Amino acid sequence: DTVLTQSPALAVSPGERVTISCRASESVSTLMHWYQQKPGQQPTLLIYLASNLESGVPARFSGSGSGTDFTLTIDPVEADDTATYYCQQSWNDPRTFGGGTKLELK
Amino acid sequence: EIQLQESGPGLVKPSQSLSLTCSVTGYTITSGYDWSWIRKFPGNKMEWMGYISYSGSTNYNPSLKSRISITRDTSKNQFFLQLNSVTTEDTATYYCARSIHTMGITDYWGQGVMVTVSS
Repeated sequence: DTVLTQSPALAVSPGERVTISCRASESVSTLMHWYQQKPGQQPTLLIYLASNLESGVPARFSGSGSGTDFTLTIDPVEADDTATYYCQQSWNDPRTFGGGTKLELK
Repeated sequence: EIQLQESGPGLVKPSQSLSLTCSVTGYTITSGYDWSWIRKFPGNKMEWMGYISYSGSTNYNPSLKSRISITRDTSKNQFFLQLNSVTTEDTATYYCARSIHTMGITDYWGQGVMVTVSS
């Protein structure tokens, strides 16, 4: 299976820029997607196909990357962005998720 | 507005079968998309379990292939998860979701149902 590796946690101050990384154990082309999950809620789609912003998602969120290295950027970070962020690949079967990055606001 | 809602028992005994229903409103499951089951374990690990496509074909995670079945009732616009021979390691929050066929982008999720496997 394709293993997706994310940093477990990050802490930033409101107004700052934060980058969340996701590294794949093998190429996933650009079939990488990002989700946000707030406590007690279901995940929601933020970015699809590495760099496409889902409708209704603030333009503060952006994604980049291809192959094995991907980044989710939030600029500027707001208090409401406190959540866990997951990457997920769909190039290789089975589809797999990263372990999640918990974003905390200072 | 598209909505998905999971339902089913919150407690299952080891060695028994876990059965969940996903009721879909706002979209007909035979019109398009894949209809997926995804679970999140305590500690945040997420696992894609499998899907049934709009045409009725299925695709399962090989790690579950001998235990999982995803079926549907098109007359009720529902799809179902059955996971056999459960153990405590199957304790998780189970989500049903809609995914874009072939691209695997999951754009709508249910609220999730917590299932505990315990005697």
